[in-house]
Amino acid sequence: GESVGLHLPTLSVQEGDNSIINCAYSNSASDYFIWYKQESGKGPQFIIDIRSNMDKRQGQRVTVLLNKTVKHLSLQIAATQPGDSAVYFCAWDTGFQKLVFGTGTRLLVSP
Amino acid sequence: DTAVSQTPKYLVTQMGNDKSIKCEQNLGHDTMYWYKQDSKKFLKIMFSYNNKELIINETVPNRFSPKSPDKAHLNLHINSLELGDSAVYFCASSQGRLTGELFFGEGSRLTVL
Repeated sequence: GESVGLHLPTLSVQEGDNSIINCAYSNSASDYFIWYKQESGKGPQFIIDIRSNMDKRQGQRVTVLLNKTVKHLSLQIAATQPGDSAVYFCAWDTGFQKLVFGTGTRLLVSP
Repeated sequence: DTAVSQTPKYLVTQMGNDKSIKCEQNLGHDTMYWYKQDSKKFLKIMFSYNNKELIINETVPNRFSPKSPDKAHLNLHINSLELGDSAVYFCASSQGRLTGELFFGEGSRLTVL
């Protein structure tokens, strides 16, 4: 099996629980933020994004919250399902045409 | 139809060898990227191209040379491979020059022995 990701922060939840994944970003000038989901053996997939002129955005079962004062982003997943098990990344633009990724969080959902 | 496809998916090679990874996107996007993901899952941008023009070169050793023959293709050639080059390399594309949603390929796992 793989040994990758052993030091990745991990959030373990039960199926049906709500999950909250947090992210601290470093660039106070960033005005665009994205959450990605990466399943094992696959590339990251877009989940939801938010611009800096908003503090909350909702999608299907997911909500992103942005607190620019403390440079904090969170992803809330409602009624978490086993299929939500993956590594989740926040990302932000640097203002130099570049998207920077944060450290991922592994979400483990138990049936 | 795969939107962003990379080949090969796995690559095992000896130190000192030269290898290439190919990427193609059929989304009609203008911008393509190479990202490197290390063993701790950290994703870092290496290069980006917009309409065949290099716009980001993120302090990558010059052993790494990207080539974009057209806006649908971005290849990565690596000379004199080192152990530290072992990683998963992801190609991505986006519409527009800045950020927006990136569409990633499935990754190419490079192992240098």
